[in-house]
Amino acid sequence: EAEVAQSPRYKITEKSQAVAFWCDPISGHATLYWYRQILGQGPELLVQFQDESVVDDSQLPKDRFSAERLKGVDSTLKIQPAELGDSAMYLCASSLRAGPYEQYFGPGTRLTVT
Amino acid sequence: GESVGLHLPTLSVQEGDNSIINCAYSNSASDYFIWYKQESGKGPQFIIDIRSNMDKRQGQRVTVLLNKTVKHLSLQIAATQPGDSAVYFCAENMEESGGSNYKLTFGKGTLLTVNP
Repeated sequence: EAEVAQSPRYKITEKSQAVAFWCDPISGHATLYWYRQILGQGPELLVQFQDESVVDDSQLPKDRFSAERLKGVDSTLKIQPAELGDSAMYLCASSLRAGPYEQYFGPGTRLTVT
Repeated sequence: GESVGLHLPTLSVQEGDNSIINCAYSNSASDYFIWYKQESGKGPQFIIDIRSNMDKRQGQRVTVLLNKTVKHLSLQIAATQPGDSAVYFCAENMEESGGSNYKLTFGKGTLLTVNP
């Protein structure tokens, strides 16, 4: 069964350092999402891509976060510089297309900023 | 703003019992709802979905009920097993202004514990 892949699974970094997460969606899925999940809460959308274009980044802290999906397949989410409050689970999801369709989630990257 | 919430943060049941997890949503424009299961350290796993033109949908051991009148969603799990222990999230999908995008908004989650 096809799955969303993410790496690394765990990342520990010091504040002010740069960190990057990678996501490979299910093959053929045009829409890719990055979510942040704080322990005990539901995931919150950071950015949504349709193919290589950003369609929603309204909740992305653009002073320190950036995301790209250059070829419309895999994607990278970067934080620079990392802050203590960025400690969270970063989840990637994909769906066949944008709209009211099932989103499939990857295993996530657990980020700890010290 | 609009939000999705859960009535009960924790639910403890005996193995073999039926479980009911409830969710209230406030946005009447939401037209698609999903229940996800999340085990510790893992990403959310799709359980079942329902569109707003339906009141009930059944899967394997799970049933989702949608009451649009009171904006209420529930997940029923039959014959609950220890492997069902996890956090359950409801999520609503709403078309954003202009019809250019749909956004999935998650509630806070309910922790289900199944006692053997």
